[in-house]
Amino acid sequence: NAGVMQNPRHLVRRRGQEARLRCSPMKGHSHVYWYRQLPEEGLKFMVYLQKENIIDESGMPKERFSAEFPKEGPSILRIQQVVRGDSAAYFCASSPPWGTSTDTQYFGPGTRLTVL
Amino acid sequence: AQSVAQPEDQVNVAEGNPLTVKCTYSVSGNPYLFWYVQYPNRGLQFLLKYITGDNLVKGSYGFEAEFNKSQTSFHLKKPSALVSDSALYFCAVRGPSYYGNNRLAFGKGNQVVVIP
Repeated sequence: NAGVMQNPRHLVRRRGQEARLRCSPMKGHSHVYWYRQLPEEGLKFMVYLQKENIIDESGMPKERFSAEFPKEGPSILRIQQVVRGDSAAYFCASSPPWGTSTDTQYFGPGTRLTVL
Repeated sequence: AQSVAQPEDQVNVAEGNPLTVKCTYSVSGNPYLFWYVQYPNRGLQFLLKYITGDNLVKGSYGFEAEFNKSQTSFHLKKPSALVSDSALYFCAVRGPSYYGNNRLAFGKGNQVVVIP
């Protein structure tokens, strides 16, 4: 069974460019979560999505950040006009549909974003 | 709001000795508690969880954790540490299970160094 897949693994952007991070959940999982890990810190929740639906975006910065999980294809975390403070590791996690064992989130390998 | 405290930045232990990584939590209602391990430049791997039932939970790679409601703690333990256990360990918590409430709050992590 393939785990959670993220690409790219490493992404370098210049200030002002856009960053697009992709996440494919584990097979059979319909819930996706995005977390950000800044240097020397733990993971901070950003957003929780189901297919075509944002469930909880309480951790998303108010500007420049957006996320989607379309009916077909991976979940996308989009950062517009990146700044140096956006440099971090971005982790995606997935869990099974509600009503099954949704309590355990399985994490991907992360995308390490560097803003020059 | 839910939160986790991992009071020690680094835990050093000799190979073969018992390993303990401490975690205390704060959450409204009954907690869902998790431990994850992160190896360098990798994603988080799920170790174990406490949802309900027996306070002593057994997980992967010989790890176990003990839930203590009165002390709001969920310490991770391993009877005999291996050099390969050297990694970053994260404790996480979320509140009671209801639709939409799947956000995890992570501690800042503990670096475990097992000395040969």
